[in-house]
Amino acid sequence: EAQVTQNPRYLITVTGKKLTVTCSQNMNHEYMSWYRQDPGLGLRQIYYSMNVEVTDKGDVPEGYKVSRKEKRNFPLILESPSPNQTSLYFCASSLRTGETNTGELFFGEGSRLTVL
Amino acid sequence: SQKIEQNSEALNIQEGKTATLTCNYTNYSPAYLQWYRQDPGRGPVFLLLIRENEKEKRKERLKVTFDTTLKQSLFHITASQPADSATYLCALADDKIIFGKGTRLHILP
Repeated sequence: EAQVTQNPRYLITVTGKKLTVTCSQNMNHEYMSWYRQDPGLGLRQIYYSMNVEVTDKGDVPEGYKVSRKEKRNFPLILESPSPNQTSLYFCASSLRTGETNTGELFFGEGSRLTVL
Repeated sequence: SQKIEQNSEALNIQEGKTATLTCNYTNYSPAYLQWYRQDPGRGPVFLLLIRENEKEKRKERLKVTFDTTLKQSLFHITASQPADSATYLCALADDKIIFGKGTRLHILP
């Protein structure tokens, strides 16, 4: 089954304790992206990656890191989480090459993070 | 800066009527525009894509229009049903894909 898998789905942590949210897709997609969703602010892009070893900042990259060492995985790293990073996080992927791609995003189920 | 606006936070429509949602954008020339549906606590699900050179796209009860002169897309659900109640997001795509804040649609029985 084609899917984007995020882990953990739920996490409560404390300020300053490094954490990683993993994201994996099994569709051989080139493009992957992380979003956070907050009430009244909608989906905001954190980082995106057009392909392996290529990453770019989105609209709200501060406090986050990403890496894309292999095509299927795109982990989101919070080196020193703060309470303002409490949010619902979504990973997404799409096929983004050539004239035939639609850019249709496939989303994971979300990771709800609480930073105390 | 780029800006996407969806016409209202929430919209109530009587069952059986046509629901029309609006997406306006500024400072952007997207290659295409997408519409997604999101149910509470779930990830968005892709519905339709329309390219900059297309005026209209249909899929079952859904219809999307795209006016690059007005910088606006309209999303219609005909013969609406309570199961259509959800948040609908428009997204503009170029290198990045950026989203509007969404419109919560309630179809009233």
